[in-house]
Amino acid sequence: DAKTTQPPSMDCAEGRAANLPCNHSTISGNEYVYWYRQIHSQGPQYIIHGLKNNETNEMASLIITEDRKSSTLILPHATLRDTAVYYCIVREPRSGSRLTFGEGTQLTVNP
Amino acid sequence: NAGVTQTPKFQVLKTGQSMTLQCAQDMNHEYMSWYRQDPGMGLRLIHYSVGAGITDQGEVPNGYNVSRSTTEDFPLRLLSAAPSQTSVYFCASSLLVGQGSSYEQYFGPGTRLTVT
Repeated sequence: DAKTTQPPSMDCAEGRAANLPCNHSTISGNEYVYWYRQIHSQGPQYIIHGLKNNETNEMASLIITEDRKSSTLILPHATLRDTAVYYCIVREPRSGSRLTFGEGTQLTVNP
Repeated sequence: NAGVTQTPKFQVLKTGQSMTLQCAQDMNHEYMSWYRQDPGMGLRLIHYSVGAGITDQGEVPNGYNVSRSTTEDFPLRLLSAAPSQTSVYFCASSLLVGQGSSYEQYFGPGTRLTVT
């Protein structure tokens, strides 16, 4: 799987948008970008994934650059409950369903 | 659906003891896996299975055994517990990814294991 690079920590004010960056400069054309988050002591939770196009669901938006070397997860109106570690994962199809987790970004939403 | 369930939630073992961590899912998922998470670190894959009767090693398989006799269950066995196996263990399941497909993984709540 392509290696990803994320900042170790970020802060965001409650009610503001949280923009979490991820670099994946060695990504290949058939690798998906996934985002998961882990609220303290709980199991990871799927957020969103994409291949080439930007994606949006009820939780977040995923913006992938045209060259696919980086992406940004956007939480449009962050709440205190969004405080968590956010993992950006790039999965190669030949890996099957296996996911390789890095160390992620600790997002702290402040009141 | 109960999703992915894990038992026990907490366990304390002495060095050398063996035990089995249970994982079950009721979503008819072909793929199941076990991860461990040490304090302040990301998850590392221990073993995984793409269907009943099929298992394979992940990143850190030493000291652990798995079997998959049914689609629903995927137990993880610690053969002879060591302090280095103190960790939080997560089980996950998903539909099986194929060419051009992609599916989310569902994680259980975790088992917190301490080996003294």
